[in-house]
Amino acid sequence: DMKVTQMPRYLIKRMGENVLLECGQDMSHETMYWYRQDPGLGLQLIYISYDVDSNSEGDIPKGYRVSRKKREHFSLILDSAKTNQTSVYFCASKGANTEVFFGKGTRLTVV
Amino acid sequence: KTQVEQSPQSLVVRQGENCVLQCNYSVTPDNHLRWFKQDTGKGLVSLTVLVDQKDKTSNGRYSATLDKDAKHSTLHITATLLDDTATYICVVGDRGSALGRLHFGAGTQLIVIP
Repeated sequence: DMKVTQMPRYLIKRMGENVLLECGQDMSHETMYWYRQDPGLGLQLIYISYDVDSNSEGDIPKGYRVSRKKREHFSLILDSAKTNQTSVYFCASKGANTEVFFGKGTRLTVV
Repeated sequence: KTQVEQSPQSLVVRQGENCVLQCNYSVTPDNHLRWFKQDTGKGLVSLTVLVDQKDKTSNGRYSATLDKDAKHSTLHITATLLDDTATYICVVGDRGSALGRLHFGAGTQLIVIP
């Protein structure tokens, strides 16, 4: 059963706190992504990972960092969260050819 | 600058009616185009992918077209059901390889009423 799992699904943090969003996939895909989705906008790419310890910035990397120590696991870290990082975050992994699989998202609220 | 534009922004139809969603893009190169359905509070689920210069696909009540010359795609939903209520997102991939980027539209919010 091919799937991308995100944890947690919902998170409330205070401004300045650290945030860890986790993503796992069971398909041995090399390429994984972190996106954020805000109302009225398309998904915006934060980071891409091409494999273990092979990460590249996306279009909006400022304020975020990532970690990929195992192929099946890709983490997004917010050091000192800001209120403008309130959003829904999606993890995705890239399959063969054009296939891409998305997790169900993590709704983060920074207060 | 937004490279994938979807219209309409929102749409209300009665159950059983047909509807058409539009996607125009300026992404270059345009390797493929995929339509996703996103239920409220959920992830994106792929409906169909189009890859050829002029392509057509059909998946049950969903059918789609792509014209790469016009950089335009349509998603047709026939005989809508209440469960079709969702946001439909058009995504253009600029390459088929792992180095490719995905370019997302903001989505069309479809509401199906009884």
